[in-house]
Amino acid sequence: EAGVVQSPRYKIIEKKQPVAFWCNPISGHNTLYWYLQNLGQGPELLIRYENEEAVDDSQLPKDRFSAERLKGVDSTLKIQPAELGDSAVYLCASSSNADHNEQFFGPGTRLTVL
Amino acid sequence: AQKITQTQPGMFVQEKEAVTLDCTYDTSDPSYGLFWYKQPSSGEMIFLIYQGSYDQQNATEGRYSLNFQKARKSANLVISASQLGDSAMYFCAMRGKTSGSRLTFGEGTQLTVNP
Repeated sequence: EAGVVQSPRYKIIEKKQPVAFWCNPISGHNTLYWYLQNLGQGPELLIRYENEEAVDDSQLPKDRFSAERLKGVDSTLKIQPAELGDSAVYLCASSSNADHNEQFFGPGTRLTVL
Repeated sequence: AQKITQTQPGMFVQEKEAVTLDCTYDTSDPSYGLFWYKQPSSGEMIFLIYQGSYDQQNATEGRYSLNFQKARKSANLVISASQLGDSAMYFCAMRGKTSGSRLTFGEGTQLTVNP
């Protein structure tokens, strides 16, 4: 069974440019999470989806960040415009409704903003 | 609010020895879960072990065990018979009933296993 897939793995952009990250969760997992991980720190939740509904986006900086999960499967996280401080790893995770105890993480997208 | 504290930025252990990684937590939730994740240099977070706050026994998964002391609010990870492949960043995390399935992570401990 395939794990959580994220692309791209690495992205380098100039500040003020837009950027988008894509995530495909494990098949059948209804819950999808986007986390931000700054260097030397633990991940912090940005947004959580239950199917296509964003049920927890309190930590998402809505002035520049947006996310969607239109069909309740894969998801896209966008930053527009990117700032230097957005340089980090963006992790996607998924879990099944039957067992939220285990969240499966993707390899992450490492963003560098120059 | 929930908070996880990992006071060991780095730990070193000899191959085949046991090592304990410390984790303390704070929450007002009466029901919560505690987790440990491993993050190798490749970046992927790998789930290791889970402990529920009402579980009577400490969780074990192979070489991993969780030393859960509820009164002290600690959930230390014990790795027995360390292997070179155990070298990685280890994160303690928790989820409270009121936070849904949101995980709160600590800052991590970098474990290095020496041959």
